[in-house]
Amino acid sequence: AQSVTQLGSHVSVSEGALVLLRCNYSSSVPPYLFWYVQYPNQGLQLLLKYTTGATLVKGINGFEAEFKKSETSFHLTKPSAHMSDAAEYFCAVSDLKDDKIIFGKGTRLHILP
Amino acid sequence: ETGVTQSPTHLIKTRGQQVTLRCSSQSGHNTVSWYQQALGQGPQFIFQYYREEENGRGNFPPRFSGLQFPNYSSELNVNALELDDSALYLCASSTGLTGGSTDTQYFGPGTRLTVL
Repeated sequence: AQSVTQLGSHVSVSEGALVLLRCNYSSSVPPYLFWYVQYPNQGLQLLLKYTTGATLVKGINGFEAEFKKSETSFHLTKPSAHMSDAAEYFCAVSDLKDDKIIFGKGTRLHILP
Repeated sequence: ETGVTQSPTHLIKTRGQQVTLRCSSQSGHNTVSWYQQALGQGPQFIFQYYREEENGRGNFPPRFSGLQFPNYSSELNVNALELDDSALYLCASSTGLTGGSTDTQYFGPGTRLTVL
């Protein structure tokens, strides 16, 4: 069975500092991996996804993530945090056999002025 | 804006009642998925419909049911509501061209259901 673990339910970074949100997955087959962002009172928006090919994936709003099979990780990074990045971030996993997406519990990102 | 709308925005029901939540997908999106997001949790997959037929289901009891219509709208019905059904219910649509979860799913803003 697939699963996702997001390390840290809350992460605080200063404006302009590096953002690093951690995600580890478990999958018996090659995974498809996603990062979604959820702003207050809104639905989820896809930041980026990895299916096949290049392991470094660039997304919207300056975010990127790297698929590391040996570490079963898909951490999300952004070089310089902005106040508008404050939101809930969800890592998710799926595969070709299954139509469902398994989400992690989420990490709330706080940006300090 | 994802082009996916949901109604109502908020809903309060009492235990044992039935509820219908609605979703309107983007035109051309043949796949719709429904998720339940409890407070402080990630979304959990309820089921998915493709061209009006159920195409996958998560670990939810049969009292959770759905319908998809030819006009790209869909419904989530929940019978015999329980207190634990209180959550944000999200629908997500995708084209269904490549099949499965590799399609980008566009989420609506959700319906907040409170069961008293």
